[in-house]
Amino acid sequence: GEDVEQSLFLSVREGDSSVINCTYTDSSSTYLYWYKQEPGAGLQLLTYIFSNMDMKQDQRLTVLLNKKDKHLSLRIADTQTGDSAIYFCAERGGGFKTIFGAGTRLFVKA
Amino acid sequence: ETGVTQTPRHLVMGMTNKKSLKCEQHLGHNAMYWYKQSAKKPLELMFVYNFKEQTENNSVPSRFSPECPNSSHLFLHLHTLQPEDSALYLCASSQDHTGIDTIYFGEGSWLTVV
Repeated sequence: GEDVEQSLFLSVREGDSSVINCTYTDSSSTYLYWYKQEPGAGLQLLTYIFSNMDMKQDQRLTVLLNKKDKHLSLRIADTQTGDSAIYFCAERGGGFKTIFGAGTRLFVKA
Repeated sequence: ETGVTQTPRHLVMGMTNKKSLKCEQHLGHNAMYWYKQSAKKPLELMFVYNFKEQTENNSVPSRFSPECPNSSHLFLHLHTLQPEDSALYLCASSQDHTGIDTIYFGEGSWLTVV
């Protein structure tokens, strides 16, 4: 079945870049997403990329998609303490099924 | 405020209790979802409703019973739960399954089964 995998923890220093990686298995994925979950809150969409794109940039966020390797990454430039949260990778194929990973907890050290 | 409201935010229940989680969306969406979030596990899709009809049930135990009376409201009825059912239950909605179809999440209901 479909599967999305990501590492559980990442620690960076304030001002550095963070790179969160994700792999997925469904080759028919149409959209791939990054969601952010802050403490005590639900998930909020950060950014998404359509499967025919390689890269998408949105201010400090850069999404890279390697469709051949089914690898998605999220780069956060100039990481701030306010970026500390759990980041979920998700992919959607057909229908209503959006599959999420376990989330990567980003810890930003001042 | 995401437009998806869940109540209660926290619930503690015994294994023999019956309780319900409620979700309401004010976004005019047609699809609603229940997800279960447990520590260090992928977010688990439990149920999907589209135009009030259930389109997905991911082998969820019958002690979880969803109800969708209309496109704006979704309930999760709970009875005879187990301690391992303790988790954050997230409700979400989306317009439909075409296009970008961004899923909007509520803040979740923290459930503890004792």
